[in-house]
This record gives sequence, C-alpha cells and structure tokens, in this order.
Amino acid sequence: DGGITQSPKYLFRKEGQNVTLSCEQNLNHDAMYWYRQDPGQGLRLIYYSQIVNDFQKGDIAEGYSVSREKKESFPLTVTSAQKNPTAFYLCASSIGRQLFYGYTFGSGTRLTVV
Amino acid sequence: AQKVTQAQTEISVVEKEDVTLDCVYETRDTTYYLFWYKQPPSGELVFLIRRNSFDEQNEISGRYSWNFQKSTSSFNFTITASQVVDSAVYFCALGLNAGNNRKLIWGLGTSLAVNP
Repeated sequence: DGGITQSPKYLFRKEGQNVTLSCEQNLNHDAMYWYRQDPGQGLRLIYYSQIVNDFQKGDIAEGYSVSREKKESFPLTVTSAQKNPTAFYLCASSIGRQLFYGYTFGSGTRLTVV
Repeated sequence: AQKVTQAQTEISVVEKEDVTLDCVYETRDTTYYLFWYKQPPSGELVFLIRRNSFDEQNEISGRYSWNFQKSTSSFNFTITASQVVDSAVYFCALGLNAGNNRKLIWGLGTSLAVNP
C-alpha cells in the first residue's frame, strides 16, 4: 500500500544533540512537508520541498534543517539550536505544488528532550 | 488577515447525538480552498474533504456533511448519529494558491469526544 512512513514513532534526545527524523513516501508525490504540532497551537510549517534538491523555509525553520536528495525521502534534522524541540512532528506529501491536491500525512514522530 | 478560527476547543457528546464543528475563515483572496482533516489518537491526519471557493454546494458523505457559506465565511462540519470511532481532533484549514503564495493555514483544532 502506498503511503508515508515516519520513523521512529518515539524519539528521545539529550540536550545539545542533533537528531534526524525520517520521512519516506512511495506515493510518487512531488511535494513534501514537515509540520510541528504542539498542544493548543495547531500545525506549524517547518520546511517544505516541491522538487528534489530544492526546499524552502516555512514559518518556524530556525533550529531545523532538511535535505531532499531523493523524491521519496525528506529527512528532518532537529539541531541543538532548536531550544524547545519537544513536540509531535508530522510529515506530509502532495501530488503537486497546487493546494488543490490536498496532503497525505504520516503517523508522526513524538520527540522528547530528556 | 488570513486566519482560520475553530472556536470550539473541546466538544463532548453521547453516542448517536449529532454534532457540528464550526470553522470560520478570513481571507481577501477570491480563490481559495477549504479542507477538513481528522486526527485520531494514532496521530495521522486523515483527509476528509476539500472545497474550492467557487463551489458553495453542500456535501454529504455518509454520516458526514459540510455546509459552506461564503456570506459568513464559514465551513462547518456536521457528524450525524455520532459514534465512538468519531472521537478525534478535527482540523479545518484554508488553502491559498495565488501566485507564489501557496500555503495552508490551519485552525487550532476541535477535540471531539464521543462517549458510549
């Protein structure tokens, strides 16, 4: 079945460490997105990529980095510069750049700083 | 201003009750899309419906129905005869697609608890 796979489901990070969240899709979608979800704050866009080897900052990109070397993969690195990284992270994809297509979401990674 | 307001933070109903989730949006764009997504406890957001700004026809899908009214900038979602499996957080989102301004603006969500 086609879909988006995010791993791991739960991740614990020590302060000062970088961690990388995986996002893989087999839907042949061009665009991919990373969102952060905090209680009471809804979804906030971190980064998005509309084609391979290109990505754009979203609303809260500081302290995060991404790469898009393959169409299927859009990993997110949470760096030590991100002061409050504990959150639920959602990866999404869409067929094309137009919002008409809507998004398909992964099941998320819950990151906790210990 | 571009904004989505879901005024109901939490709703609790008893199974088989009807429930309406409100969504009010703000935009000056004439072309836009409206979406509803469901987020069950598992965490994954599930697409429910998309509506474009030129199509005010209401839609019904099983127990779900949507009422889009441009005059009041609202896109409300009704669940008829609610079931425990409907318990989730529901998000309304506004999609803007004008030129390079492609973005989804999300409401804060409404947490629906359907009790047996």
